[in-house]
Amino acid sequence: ETGVTQSPTHLIKTRGQQVTLRCSSQSGHNTVSWYQQALGQGPQFIFQYYREEENGRGNFPPRFSGLQFPNYSSELNVNALELDDSALYLCASSSPIAGPLGSYNEQFFGPGTRLTVL
Amino acid sequence: QQPVQSPQAVILREGEDAVINCSSSKALYSVHWYRQKHGEAPVFLMILLKGGEQKGHEKISASFNEKKQQSSLYLTASQLSYSGTYFCGTEEYRGGKLIFGQGTELSVKP
Repeated sequence: ETGVTQSPTHLIKTRGQQVTLRCSSQSGHNTVSWYQQALGQGPQFIFQYYREEENGRGNFPPRFSGLQFPNYSSELNVNALELDDSALYLCASSSPIAGPLGSYNEQFFGPGTRLTVL
Repeated sequence: QQPVQSPQAVILREGEDAVINCSSSKALYSVHWYRQKHGEAPVFLMILLKGGEQKGHEKISASFNEKKQQSSLYLTASQLSYSGTYFCGTEEYRGGKLIFGQGTELSVKP
């Protein structure tokens, strides 16, 4: 069973450019969530994809967009990069699990992509 | 709204116990706990649903007070490997977005 992978690991861009980050979900998982983690902060929810459809969005502008593919891998696209977009971008994959108290999603995180905007 | 964690940081000697708290102003469906070491991805530790602990991890346990919307993570007989930043993530409904607290930095010294 392969875990969550992300590419690239590091990226340097300049203000105004566009970037695409990629995530391969863990085998058997149909849900991918993307997070932005600034230095010293907790991860902030960007959006979630479930079976190729956006299934919830955090407080991020429209220049943050995403896709999920039929194999459940996913992309995060950011247009018109700003300096404040510099952060670690994490994706997490999950699938609903039925437990005795109810169903839940255990999210498995990838190693992240470190984006630096100059 | 972001849950509030306390304390912000704690230093322990190996073998000591610690409690990390997570408090939300919203009614919650679940609380998730993660540990993140510097430069690495968060690692899942525990999830608590309304009604009790769903899944545990080694010598780490947790509780969830549904009336107060508070969760506490208990680390007993701490080991050096427990060092890292602990985050709680809260979910208002099943499948909803996970909102993380600001983290609690735990350092375990020999």
